[in-house]
Amino acid sequence: DSGVTQTPKHLITATGQRVTLRCSPRSGDLSVYWYQQSLDQGLQFLIQYYNGEERAKGNILERFSAQQFPDLHSELNLSSLELGDSALYFCASSAGQVSPLHFGNGTRLTVT
Amino acid sequence: GQQLNQSPQSMFIQEGEDVSMNCTSSSIFNTWLWYKQDPGEGPVLLIALYKAGELTSNGRLTAQFGITRKDSFLNISASIPSDVGIYFCAGQLTGNQFYFGTGTSLTVIP
Repeated sequence: DSGVTQTPKHLITATGQRVTLRCSPRSGDLSVYWYQQSLDQGLQFLIQYYNGEERAKGNILERFSAQQFPDLHSELNLSSLELGDSALYFCASSAGQVSPLHFGNGTRLTVT
Repeated sequence: GQQLNQSPQSMFIQEGEDVSMNCTSSSIFNTWLWYKQDPGEGPVLLIALYKAGELTSNGRLTAQFGITRKDSFLNISASIPSDVGIYFCAGQLTGNQFYFGTGTSLTVIP
């Protein structure tokens, strides 16, 4: 158990809809990262937050947004969903600048 | 973004054999990490390396931080069926985002 909790585990929704994925980092970790993993693909970095502030942005679509709250949990919002958004979405947290990432078990999003 | 070239892309080996995989980059990193991902689950940290030339073991796994800081290697000795999965390398410049390799899919034949 990595200590990173993601909910929900599975999500099935229709095109055009909006969903919110939730992540609770490991206790004490200030950084939260979001990654997208499509079928048989690697991990695509979306966005990073550190202590409530956006730190880095990767290949995140404009239809996607995220935030980190004062209690350090984070939410990833995906809107105007398309079939191609179907993927595993992972959250990871780290304690600091030289600390490794610890991943949650992901949310599997299926857009029909 | 940064590209990490991980090889081989896939491996099929007999149980008991040793495994070697590597990761190379055109950029230098301050940290190299190795993860294993089982189907439908999140990547799990295997080994973290913080210093050029560092050699670190975790049970049957051994990883090295390349002296040029542009590469890293992971070796698995005496493979067993539960070693099956996808192995990812990741590099990081201090304080910055992590860059992941494309993964090595390992199949162990009993």
